[in-house]
Amino acid sequence: EDKVVQSPLSLVVHEGDTVTLNCSYEVTNFRSLLWYKQEKKAPTFLFMLTSSGIEKKSGRLSSILDKKELFSILNITATQTGDSAVYLCAPDSNYQLIWGAGTKLIIKP
Amino acid sequence: NAGVTQTPKFQVLKTGQSMTLQCAQDMNHEYMSWYRQDPGMGLRLIHYSVGAGITDQGEVPNGYNVSRSTTEDFPLRLLSAAPSQTSVYFCASSDRDKNIQYFGAGTRLSVL
Repeated sequence: EDKVVQSPLSLVVHEGDTVTLNCSYEVTNFRSLLWYKQEKKAPTFLFMLTSSGIEKKSGRLSSILDKKELFSILNITATQTGDSAVYLCAPDSNYQLIWGAGTKLIIKP
Repeated sequence: NAGVTQTPKFQVLKTGQSMTLQCAQDMNHEYMSWYRQDPGMGLRLIHYSVGAGITDQGEVPNGYNVSRSTTEDFPLRLLSAAPSQTSVYFCASSDRDKNIQYFGAGTRLSVL
């Protein structure tokens, strides 16, 4: 059975801190892994990773995929209050996204 | 660019009532999906479609029907609403190649 585990479930840090969010997975027919950000509305797309060791970057956010050890991490540096959200990872298993429960990140000013 | 449009945004039903949640996309995406999201839980797939005329069940299909008569529209029907169907419902669409799913704004449904 396909499985996705995100950790930690929640995290509270102060503005300016760096955070690392984890996503481990076991899925059949892996195609890619996607990260989404969800504030008080619909999830919005952040990254898609398909190859191991390739670090995706977008400003203060970056992500790495390890296809051998079956995990991905999402790093956020110099956090801001606007980064407060639930972060979701979702490996694509044969064209179906398998969603983790998410990490709730709270940034305190 | 509208993207994925869901209506209504909010709905309150009485147990046993039926209703249809509407979803339309203007990106010419082949894939469309319906999810429900409950507090403390991830997104759970209700039904999905890989193209017009083709639908299939997801993880939690009971109590819901879908149809896909056009590429653009993918309505979700609640046949006889139950309190257990109180949730936030999201529609999403994606292209066949990358499968990056784009979400509608969601429908918050309460069944009393």
